[in-house]
Amino acid sequence: SAVISQKPSRDICQRGTSLTIQCQVDSQVTMMFWYRQQPGQSLTLIATANQGSEATYESGFVIDKFPISRPNLTFSTLTVSNMSPEDSSIYLCSARLAGNTGELFFGEGSRLTVL
Amino acid sequence: RKEVEQDPGPFNVPEGATVAFNCTYSNSASQSFFWYRQDCRKEPKLLMSVYSSGNEDGRFTAQLNRASQYISLLIRDSKLSDSATYLCVVTGTGAGSYQLTFGKGTKLSVIP
Repeated sequence: SAVISQKPSRDICQRGTSLTIQCQVDSQVTMMFWYRQQPGQSLTLIATANQGSEATYESGFVIDKFPISRPNLTFSTLTVSNMSPEDSSIYLCSARLAGNTGELFFGEGSRLTVL
Repeated sequence: RKEVEQDPGPFNVPEGATVAFNCTYSNSASQSFFWYRQDCRKEPKLLMSVYSSGNEDGRFTAQLNRASQYISLLIRDSKLSDSATYLCVVTGTGAGSYQLTFGKGTKLSVIP
């Protein structure tokens, strides 16, 4: 099992600003991911956070809009840049533990509202 | 065709009822399958993995039909605490085999 701490848990932001979400895992981690879940929708993978190198982004997501850092094995940040109301969503950090065959553990999510 | 499709729901069932959720997936080469549970305003948590031979965990039974690319979850003797959204999850293939693709989820409400 793992505990994944995300912060902030929620925020209300103005259009055009940026917000950085932090994610800390308390266990040995092999992979970390960032997902987005919009109201009534499924989880959509934004990117895989790679330690010490650029993240791997999924189709429709770009580094300029969602810069990601992962300076060590258990910590990652996601920035939502130049926000617009369409970015209002829940952003979830997730991790796969060392030795684990497939289960993903999730943080509690960061609920972002852009006005 | 969407990668992972689930029953639209919502399912409203009385306590003690048996309820079944279905899910289809589009990538025939997918290798691993899961059911996750997501409570309202909470993060998803693994409910159970789905194995080719079918597997059972207490009141929950999961089955996989690779030929039809179909996964199911059966909940027997429903409890109020089973109320949640159930997400069907499938892994990718090849270089993306570590990635999970989530269905939109099926909402279950168990009524007293």
